[in-house]
Amino acid sequence: DTGVSQDPRHKITKRGQNVTFRCDPISEHNRLYWYRQTLGQGPEFLTYFQNEAQLEKSRLLSDRFSAERPKGSFSTLEIQRTEQGDSAMYLCALSYGGTYNEQFFGPGTRLTVL
Amino acid sequence: GQNIDQPTEMTATEGAIVQINCTYQTSGFNGLFWYQQHAGEAPTFLSYNVLDGLEEKGRFSSFLSRSKGYSYLLLKELQMKDSASYLCAVGLRNQGGKLIFGQGTELSVKP
Repeated sequence: DTGVSQDPRHKITKRGQNVTFRCDPISEHNRLYWYRQTLGQGPEFLTYFQNEAQLEKSRLLSDRFSAERPKGSFSTLEIQRTEQGDSAMYLCALSYGGTYNEQFFGPGTRLTVL
Repeated sequence: GQNIDQPTEMTATEGAIVQINCTYQTSGFNGLFWYQQHAGEAPTFLSYNVLDGLEEKGRFSSFLSRSKGYSYLLLKELQMKDSASYLCAVGLRNQGGKLIFGQGTELSVKP
């Protein structure tokens, strides 16, 4: 148990639809990260939060993507007008920050866009 | 730019030792991480190196040479359950500690 849950675990949607994923830390972690992973590749950084502040966004995060962490605990990632290229595993990771900054990954949400 | 290279696939025999290499070129280096990922599951943390040298943790060891931009993960007494993808990742300083991952090395352990 890594202390983070993600919902849903699987999502199938049609192209053009909006989808929202949720990441719930079980305990308090001040940093929360979103990554995207496609088949045969390592995870790619999308964005991260320090408490409720979104401090960095990758250029991979187009205008169709938005992430929030309204109370510094759970986070949501929304994709608007989904495209087939958005099909991937979306991973949430948590850390306590500091020099070590080991990150613990949630089980991920697998998105399939038809 | 950031670049991390590791072999795509490796095969080894149960009970043997295997070494998975990783080379990197990054700015703002703040540590080298190894993660294990079984098919369809999330990555799980294996090891972390920030200083040069060898870190040992049970059957797994990880080595780092910062001057060479090089790391390896050593797996001893291989078991079938070690078949997985092994991800090398560099942590970046001053960028929230985000991780830059290599593509992963798919290790197959044969009987």
